[in-house]
Amino acid sequence: GAVVSQHPSRVICKSGTSVKIECRSLDFQATTMFWYRQFPKQSLMLMATSNEGSKATYEQGVEKDKFLINHASLTLSTLTVTSAHPEDSSFYICSAHRHYGYTFGSGTRLTVV
Amino acid sequence: AQTVTQSQPEMSVQEAETVTLSCTYDTSESDYYLFWYKQPPSRQMILVIRQEAYKQQNATENRFSVNFQKAAKSFSLKISDSQLGDAAMYFCAYRRDSNKLVFGAGTILRVKS
Repeated sequence: GAVVSQHPSRVICKSGTSVKIECRSLDFQATTMFWYRQFPKQSLMLMATSNEGSKATYEQGVEKDKFLINHASLTLSTLTVTSAHPEDSSFYICSAHRHYGYTFGSGTRLTVV
Repeated sequence: AQTVTQSQPEMSVQEAETVTLSCTYDTSESDYYLFWYKQPPSRQMILVIRQEAYKQQNATENRFSVNFQKAAKSFSLKISDSQLGDAAMYFCAYRRDSNKLVFGAGTILRVKS
């Protein structure tokens, strides 16, 4: 079946540094990738939509300069958290849209200290 | 704007018993997709079941079935013969424009042995 590989699964970084999260579709081409943020015991909040070869579209309230999304190929989308601060600590999940379904990455737990 | 409401923050069920998780949604569209996702402690999102709004027949997947009431905008999930492995957070989701998913707040399901 379709698999989206997300790395890293966990990352700890210092405040002020940047962190890159990668999502790769392993056996299919993902023209659209969605990026979510999830706080403990809460729902998934859509941050942005990335489309291969074009600029990402961000949901209202999401800082595009802080959360840089790149979708340079049909199998790779990346989310870079720039100048991370402790309030950016969260669980980040990617999801690729296929036909009428979705395949999710396994998530990245980001801790900013 | 489309919204998804899950009014049960937590539910408990005895092993082998049946439990129903509630979900209501708001939309002005006539054709859409609804989903139930399971998120176990690993936090990997797993598709449980999908319903297409134009299909009147309720979707079923083994022990999982839905009660889709389009006029009432209700989409409940029934889990029969509950197993310990069913313990997880369950999210109801609605597919909105541009294939974006809107998630409900989630219901934590606990299964007692």
